[in-house]
Amino acid sequence: RKEVEQDPGPFNVPEGATVAFNCTYSNSASQSFFWYRQDCRKEPKLLMSVYSSGNEDGRFTAQLNRASQYISLLIRDSKLSDSATYLCAAGLGGQKLVFGTGTRLLVSP
Amino acid sequence: SAVISQKPSRDICQRGTSLTIQCQVDSQVTMMFWYRQQPGQSLTLIATANQGSEATYESGFVIDKFPISRPNLTFSTLTVSNLSPEDSSIYLCSVKPSGGNQPQHFGDGTRLSIL
Repeated sequence: RKEVEQDPGPFNVPEGATVAFNCTYSNSASQSFFWYRQDCRKEPKLLMSVYSSGNEDGRFTAQLNRASQYISLLIRDSKLSDSATYLCAAGLGGQKLVFGTGTRLLVSP
Repeated sequence: SAVISQKPSRDICQRGTSLTIQCQVDSQVTMMFWYRQQPGQSLTLIATANQGSEATYESGFVIDKFPISRPNLTFSTLTVSNLSPEDSSIYLCSVKPSGGNQPQHFGDGTRLSIL
């Protein structure tokens, strides 16, 4: 079993839709969680950290469910520019992050 | 976040040759990593670059093929040796600042093609 697992997608949604991705992690001792965005042929860029109480940044909401060991990313009012691959990552304090394989999102007009 | 400069941004190399990729950070960072991302694939960690000691390689990656240097806390190099078409990939440097639950940040990547 992979340490961090994501549905590869693609998720095809129309503009304005709400879409949610889940990501499961196997190491219950994981302490830090992040979502990254990667555009085609570009490097991954940090989208947002995921806090225990959940957090929101504009149209993006991230949540952590420790009991079930998953994190989620909700995107409201999808834009064409949201089309990208979304990577989740989990880490143990000062250790390296473990990345999922990414979920591809395609937002269409 | 730290500014990460990676060179070269792309290269085309002949089979059997080697390419060295440089990663320069504008501040001291505890952890530096090298990743590979083959076309259409996910990130694969090659190794953790340790300052002043040998790199820590992930399963499937060896020092002879991917020698890594890290002379100080702001600089590292990755060499991809004895290049073959299977080495065509994007190579990414990543850093993680010291202290607690910090995210990792990535350089722009080096796009390598083998003739």
